[in-house]
Amino acid sequence: AQKVTQAQTEISVVEKEDVTLDCVYETRDTTYYLFWYKQPPSGELVFLIRRNSFDEQNEISGRYSWNFQKSTSSFNFTITASQVVDSAVYFCALSVGNTGKLIFGQGTTLQVKP
Amino acid sequence: EAEVAQSPRYKITEKSQAVAFWCDPISGHATLYWYRQILGQGPELLVQFQDESVVDDSQLPKDRFSAERLKGVDSTLKIQPAELGDSAMYLCASSPDRVNTEAFFGQGTRLTVV
Repeated sequence: AQKVTQAQTEISVVEKEDVTLDCVYETRDTTYYLFWYKQPPSGELVFLIRRNSFDEQNEISGRYSWNFQKSTSSFNFTITASQVVDSAVYFCALSVGNTGKLIFGQGTTLQVKP
Repeated sequence: EAEVAQSPRYKITEKSQAVAFWCDPISGHATLYWYRQILGQGPELLVQFQDESVVDDSQLPKDRFSAERLKGVDSTLKIQPAELGDSAMYLCASSPDRVNTEAFFGQGTRLTVV
């Protein structure tokens, strides 16, 4: 069975602090994809990143960075120098094989205070 | 910028009534998904279409829910009769195909059953 666990339900930081959102996944498939989505109060899910299971290279995009470690089945997301606009619910998701179906974690609510 | 359109944005209906949601995916996207997101949880897949064919409806409560994508373009999700437990956000997403591509989400329909 496939599963995604986001153990942090809510995180609150002060603007400019760095924050890391944890994601642990479970699957027996060797081919899978990992995603992060952001859900602002308006409701739509905004795509942030996709990684495949064969590429463990970490990625940086501006203030965002992702650390993929197959050895610990984790795909953590770090926001550097957080801003108030980063406040949202963040979801980690897993897709196995070529199904396209996304299996989401429970989400982490990030609040960045000015 | 192309986006997934959903209507209505909000819907309040009485228990046992019928309700329908509409989704227009990004032009050219072959794969369409309907997800249900209960408050405080991650989205869960209800049904997945590839063109006009259902690929996965294993989590769709078929006694009361139905979905169609007749011409392989827009889609309708129907609930009849609605129950109190159906109150949730219904999200539509589309992707160019189901193989390792990210899904783009609409703003969702917030359903409240009273």
